[in-house]
Amino acid sequence: AQSVTQPDIHITVSEGASLELRCNYSYGATPYLFWYVQSPGQGLQLLLKYFSGDTLVQGIKGFEAEFKRSQSSFNLRKPSVHWSDAAEYFCAVVPYQAGTALIFGKGTTLSVSS
Amino acid sequence: DGGITQSPKYLFRKEGQNVTLSCEQNLNHDAMYWYRQDPGQGLRLIYYSQIVNDFQKGDIAEGYSVSREKKESFPLTVTSAQKNPTAFYLCASSNQREGLVTGELFFGEGSRLTVL
Repeated sequence: AQSVTQPDIHITVSEGASLELRCNYSYGATPYLFWYVQSPGQGLQLLLKYFSGDTLVQGIKGFEAEFKRSQSSFNLRKPSVHWSDAAEYFCAVVPYQAGTALIFGKGTTLSVSS
Repeated sequence: DGGITQSPKYLFRKEGQNVTLSCEQNLNHDAMYWYRQDPGQGLRLIYYSQIVNDFQKGDIAEGYSVSREKKESFPLTVTSAQKNPTAFYLCASSNQREGLVTGELFFGEGSRLTVL
């Protein structure tokens, strides 16, 4: 079955340390890929997206993600985490030229320690 | 400012009552969606609509109903048939071409429904 997997339910990172959140998908062809962030009780905000082209994608708030076709992965990274980055992060995909809605992973909660 | 407005933000319901959540967008998007969010479950698709007067069931449509009488509006009714309706509900919209997603989804701020 087609799916999106975020292996880490909860991650804690020290402020100023680097961050990597993992996302894997299972689709036959390269889908459109997205990362969203959600603060408690709020809607989702788009961090970045990948449709085609350069596999390293830059987003807002200093985030970037790298698409690796061989690993079916789209991991989110940030070189230096700030306390305000504490939130829940969702990876989402839509099958290329075949999707009518986004399919979301179950999310990773990021805590930032001082 | 363009965006998606959901109301109410908080809603309490007694068992056996139907409730309707409002979703309005002024982004001129053709497609609109309703997702349900439960802790640890991510977002699950309830219904989506690609055009006025047409909508399709998502993965968890049982106990829900929708309408799409205007491009801007996509209300969701949580009926008494929904066995576990307490959740956070998110409405979204997007551009589409020939019925397929061509860009990201834009989300509202959500509505939290609690059944007493």
